[in-house]
Order: sequence, then structure tokens, then C-alpha cells
Amino acid sequence: NAGVTQTPKFQVLKTGQSMTLQCAQDMNHEYMSWYRQDPGMGLRLIHYSVGAGITDQGEVPNGYNVSRSTTEDFPLRLLSAAPSQTSVYFCASTARGSYGYTFGSGTRLTVV
Amino acid sequence: GIQVEQSPPDLILQEGANSTLRCNFSDSVNNLQWFHQNPWGQLINLFYIPSGTKQNGRLSATTVATERYSLLYISSSQTTDSGVYFCAVERRGAQKLVFGQGTRLTINP
Repeated sequence: NAGVTQTPKFQVLKTGQSMTLQCAQDMNHEYMSWYRQDPGMGLRLIHYSVGAGITDQGEVPNGYNVSRSTTEDFPLRLLSAAPSQTSVYFCASTARGSYGYTFGSGTRLTVV
Repeated sequence: GIQVEQSPPDLILQEGANSTLRCNFSDSVNNLQWFHQNPWGQLINLFYIPSGTKQNGRLSATTVATERYSLLYISSSQTTDSGVYFCAVERRGAQKLVFGQGTRLTINP
């Protein structure tokens, strides 16, 4: 049981490049979400999903796309990276009626 | 949206001391979690505690839902307790966690 797995752990992008941050969970959780953490701050919600085929925006969605084709996977796409997207990204999942959210180990992204 | 405030923002203690961290929230919640972010950036789930009291070793937490606050107690602090402690809440039906700004705890040997 691996929990929530995020790849890659580190990434450096040039401004304007695109990339996909991967998130997978093996707990059959319905809910998955992406957060970003900027220095000295708490986590802020980017996008979330309540089940396969259903996604919605969080607090800071601009510049990011998501899709949820399977229960297990919830990738986060940066279409045209900007320096303001330099951050640590966390993926999380939970199940309806469960005992809280489980977080992945994070992806540290730098956009130069 | 719901507001989450943590205090104090910073806390520096000597090894062996006890500490109390506070989390205030502005609306009714059906989920409240305490996390420890270690120096490597990992978020460790400490407690799921929307109400009541729980204990796990030297750590314990109490949430008084009617008064909209939660407390995290750390006794006999160790240097490995250093890091940032986050409180996060989820309003009923929202399916999204809202985080506080965190309390940075430094335990000196």
C-alpha cells in the first residue's frame, strides 16, 4: 500500500515550457486534490476532484489544468510555466466518511 | 470562505519543554486535521480531530467544535519535533481543506 505517490520530486522548467505533475493513489479514494505551498505560507487549493470525470477549481486555479479519467490518477498540467508558479506542489486524497486526507511527499518546482 | 488562524506564528523552546499550539476557525467544520511538516518538507498527519480529545504518545489534541478552536499539546519536546505545524479544516460538504498559516516550532538542544 503506497498511499499517495507524486512524481517527479524535483523539476526545473524554463518560462513558457509545459509539464505534467503526476499523482496516483492506491487507496480507492474518491476525492483527490492539488495544493501549492509558497515560502512561509500554508497550502492553497488549486483544483480538486470528487470522482472520475469530475473536477472543480480551488482557490488558485489560474495557469493549471486537471483531468480525472480514473479513480487512481489526478495529473496537474502547467500549460505555459511562469516564475510565479515556482512552488512546492502537494497532492492529497481522501474517501467519503474517512478519517482525513493523506498527502503525497510533494514536488518542488522551479521556473526560471 | 472559512478562515483559519494559528497562534503563535513562531515558538522557540528548549528540549524538554511543553508547548500548546492553537487553531481558531470561523465556521462549523466536519474535519479538522493537525499536520507536522518536517525539515524535509513532508506533511505528516498527526491527528484527525473534528471534535473531542485524542492522544498519541507525547502529543495530544483537543477540539472544541462549539467554540471553534483546537489545541495541539506537545510534552517533553525533542529536537525532532522541530518544524511547522499546520491546522487544516474542511467545512461540511466542501471536500476541500483550508490551511492555517502554521506555527514554526524550533526545539533547541
